[in-house]
Amino acid sequence: EIVLTQSPVTLSLSPGERATLSCRASQSISNWFLSWFQQKPGQPPRLLIYGASTRATGIPDRFSGSGSGTDFTLTISRLEPEDIAVYYCQQYRTSPLEVTFGGGTKVEI
Amino acid sequence: QVQLQQSGPGLVKPSQTLSLTCAISGDSVSSNNVTWIWIRQSPSRGLEWLGRTYYRSDWYYDYGVSVKSRIALNPDTSKNQISLQLNSVSPEDTAVYYCARVVTETGKPYYIDVWGKGTTVTVSS
Repeated sequence: EIVLTQSPVTLSLSPGERATLSCRASQSISNWFLSWFQQKPGQPPRLLIYGASTRATGIPDRFSGSGSGTDFTLTISRLEPEDIAVYYCQQYRTSPLEVTFGGGTKVEI
Repeated sequence: QVQLQQSGPGLVKPSQTLSLTCAISGDSVSSNNVTWIWIRQSPSRGLEWLGRTYYRSDWYYDYGVSVKSRIALNPDTSKNQISLQLNSVSPEDTAVYYCARVVTETGKPYYIDVWGKGTTVTVSS
């Protein structure tokens, strides 16, 4: 089983600051299958980044993804108050089939 | 715009069957370039993938290891929806259940782009 470990668990920053969220996989995964989601209370997760670095439709350019192999990063270049949320990374392996999520990073402002 | 409308009971008794429905609008349940999945979320287990179904000239199903012996996904083309059945539930199955769409490209799953709003299910007598 591929385990995704996210760090830090909680990130407390001020508006305008840069947020760097980490997602580490227990074994190498293809960039194709790595996504990032944002979840606010009472809502389903919202796709931010797919293919490790491609922004989803309508996502502001202050969100960016990078990384490869076992280490991936989500960066929020300038935090806005509406970015308060929990952020999850997710991977999809096809053989054997496995879909897993990280434990999440909570961003506080 | 694709939307997923979930429905089903919020309370299920232990040992009974949890049944939820996901009605699809803006896409077809038998579309050849997507798969349909169910995920649940709880404080103890986080986000957990339960299973998927998709149509590629026939229907295919895959289920997560943790629920494989108890789960069934049933597509209904006449109603353009997918139902989830989880048998022999216990309090550990208490969670928010989501249906979602996975975009595929060149036959490979790519990303989860649309989610239902979620159904909170409590297993309790």
